[in-house]
Amino acid sequence: KAGVTQTPRYLIKTRGQQVTLSCSPISGHRSVSWYQQTPGQGLQFLFEYFSETQRNKGNFPGRFSGRQFSNSRSEMNVSTLELGDSALYLCASSFGTSETSPFFGPGTRLTVL
Amino acid sequence: GESVGLHLPTLSVQEGDNSIINCAYSNSASDYFIWYKQESGKGPQFIIDIRSNMDKRQGQRVTVLLNKTVKHLSLQIAATQPGDSAVYFCAPSGGKLIFGQGTELSVKP
Repeated sequence: KAGVTQTPRYLIKTRGQQVTLSCSPISGHRSVSWYQQTPGQGLQFLFEYFSETQRNKGNFPGRFSGRQFSNSRSEMNVSTLELGDSALYLCASSFGTSETSPFFGPGTRLTVL
Repeated sequence: GESVGLHLPTLSVQEGDNSIINCAYSNSASDYFIWYKQESGKGPQFIIDIRSNMDKRQGQRVTVLLNKTVKHLSLQIAATQPGDSAVYFCAPSGGKLIFGQGTELSVKP
C-alpha cells in the first residue's frame, strides 16, 4: 500500500510570493492534516480536512489556507510569504475516526529568501 | 490549551541497552496516545499507540506504559540499535495531534 506522498519535496520562494503544496493520502483515508515543523516551534498543527470540509484549525494566520478534493487529496496554500514561513510542511492522513493513527508523508521543505 | 513535555531533550544509550523515553501530558481528557519516531530529513513514522483504557501495550521491541493518574507515558525500546537513533515524540490525539519538542535518542555502537 502506497504511503502519503507530498509534492514538491523542496521549494525555494522569495518574500511576498505565494506557494501551494500538495498531499496525496493513503488510499481509503479521508482525513488529511497539515503540520508545520521548525527548529524553534517544533511540530505545530495547521488544519485538518475531512470529506472536503475543514474540521479542525490551529492558530495560524489567514495567510495559511487549505482545501481537500473529492478524492481526498489536499492542498495547502501560503500567501504573502514571510521569512518565518521557512519550515518543513508535513501532511498526515488517517481514516478520520477517533482512535485512528495519522500517517505522515515525507514533507515539503520550504525555504523563503 | 493542551501541552506535552518530554522529560529529557536528549538521551544517549549504548547499543544493546534498553532505552526509556518519558512524556507528560496536561489534558486529563486525552484518551488516545501515539508515539512517533522521526529520522533526520524524514516525516514522523508511527511506532505504537495506546488507548486510555489500557496501561500497557507491547509491539516489536517496544513497550508503551500509560499512567493516567499522573498523566505520564513512557516508551521502552529493548536492545536499542543504531537504527533507533532519531527524535521520538508522544502525541495525545483528539482530532489534532499535540506534539512536544521530542527526545533525541543517540545510540552509541
